[in-house]
Amino acid sequence: AQSVTQLGSHVSVSEGALVLLRCNYSSSVPPYLFWYVQYPNQGLQLLLKYTSAATLVKGINGFEAEFKKSETSFHLTKPSAHMSDAAEYFCAVSSDSWGKLQFGAGTQVVVTP
Amino acid sequence: EAGVAQSPRYKIIEKRQSVAFWCNPISGHATLYWYQQILGQGPKLLIQFQNNGVVDDSQLPKDRFSAERLKGVDSTLKIQPAKLEDSAVYLCASSLVGSRFASGSSYEQYFGPGTRLTVT
Repeated sequence: AQSVTQLGSHVSVSEGALVLLRCNYSSSVPPYLFWYVQYPNQGLQLLLKYTSAATLVKGINGFEAEFKKSETSFHLTKPSAHMSDAAEYFCAVSSDSWGKLQFGAGTQVVVTP
Repeated sequence: EAGVAQSPRYKIIEKRQSVAFWCNPISGHATLYWYQQILGQGPKLLIQFQNNGVVDDSQLPKDRFSAERLKGVDSTLKIQPAKLEDSAVYLCASSLVGSRFASGSSYEQYFGPGTRLTVT
């Protein structure tokens, strides 16, 4: 079985401040982990993924995430928030051979000037 | 490269009516997924196709939902009859292959813009 918990359904950050979105997972086998972003009225876009290579993963738009097995976490960070980062972010885990994704409930990010 | 196409983008129907959604995946992608995203929740997989065959439909409410993938390319998702709780965004996604053991980006899922269904 696999599941994902995203801490905080809404996060407000100031422009230029650190963005930190938390994700914890459970999986009975070594997982693949993903972060997706969703802008209003659009589909999901992949930000980055962990597939058992380097534990620090760099993605698009300046985002990165670190896989910590001991903490079962895959938190997403960006050093300096831009107004364009305002969106909803989803963490997802895949643990089965067919690539089925289990998504978290999402975190809405608001960026204030 | 054209992305995943979905239509319609928006649909409003009354409960007990039927509705169908269409998805055209990225050319050459063997795997197609349908997700249901209820407001305030993450997407939930309804059904996964590998070419023409169904790999996973464990969360598809089969008494009212049906899906098919014609010739391993386009797919339609149908709801008959619709209920109020079916109001959601229906997302289609595709990937080159469906196995997590595939290398690199061939495993990555690409999402369409979704169809927003409102059942009144």
